[in-house]
Amino acid sequence: QQQVKQSPQSLIVQKGGISIINCAYENTAFDYFPWYQQFPGKGPALLIAIRPDVSEKKEGRFTISFNKSAKQFSLHIMDSQPGDSATYFCAAPATMTTDSWGKLQFGAGTQVVVTP
Amino acid sequence: DAGITQSPRHKVTETGTPVTLRCHQTENHRYMYWYRQDPGHGLRLIHYSYGVKDTDKGEVSDGYSVSRSKTEDFLLTLESATSSQTSVYFCAISEGQGIDTQYFGPGTRLTVL
Repeated sequence: QQQVKQSPQSLIVQKGGISIINCAYENTAFDYFPWYQQFPGKGPALLIAIRPDVSEKKEGRFTISFNKSAKQFSLHIMDSQPGDSATYFCAAPATMTTDSWGKLQFGAGTQVVVTP
Repeated sequence: DAGITQSPRHKVTETGTPVTLRCHQTENHRYMYWYRQDPGHGLRLIHYSYGVKDTDKGEVSDGYSVSRSKTEDFLLTLESATSSQTSVYFCAISEGQGIDTQYFGPGTRLTVL
């Protein structure tokens, strides 16, 4: 089974600071790397995703950086706010076959706490 | 929110009893998934469906079965619940395959005593 390794397990950042979460993956049949955000008691929701014909994607305060040669990608949360306090999951395609229909394998999650 | 409901939202049961969780969608999406979420493991795929009556196993399928007789409903059954199946279960849907967004339901918290 392919694994997606996510770190750190948790982090605490002050309001206005930068949160950085890293993920490493094994081989994938296609390049698609989403990040999901989950608030307590809720289901995960797509936050941002990258298809690495580019090495970086930015949406507002959230940026994905991708390093294909290292098989790593990361999420940066700039100007972190208390409302960003949540658990973040990275994901990568789970199958090696080109006829994959979209199974994702998720990292273990990072709990982010933004202090006022 | 995507139109996904899960029932029940909470359930406590005893070891050895059968349990069925229901996922219902109003989006007419083709693909449906069942995940379990446990601390330190993230989300792990149990079973998935790529159409009515078309299902297949995920990475943690032992002890679980699924059925999909209608586009909108995807049932997860624990034939004989065990304490190791205590978890939060999420249903997800997607319109297409590959890079399409998966939309998650609110989850079902299952406790097996």
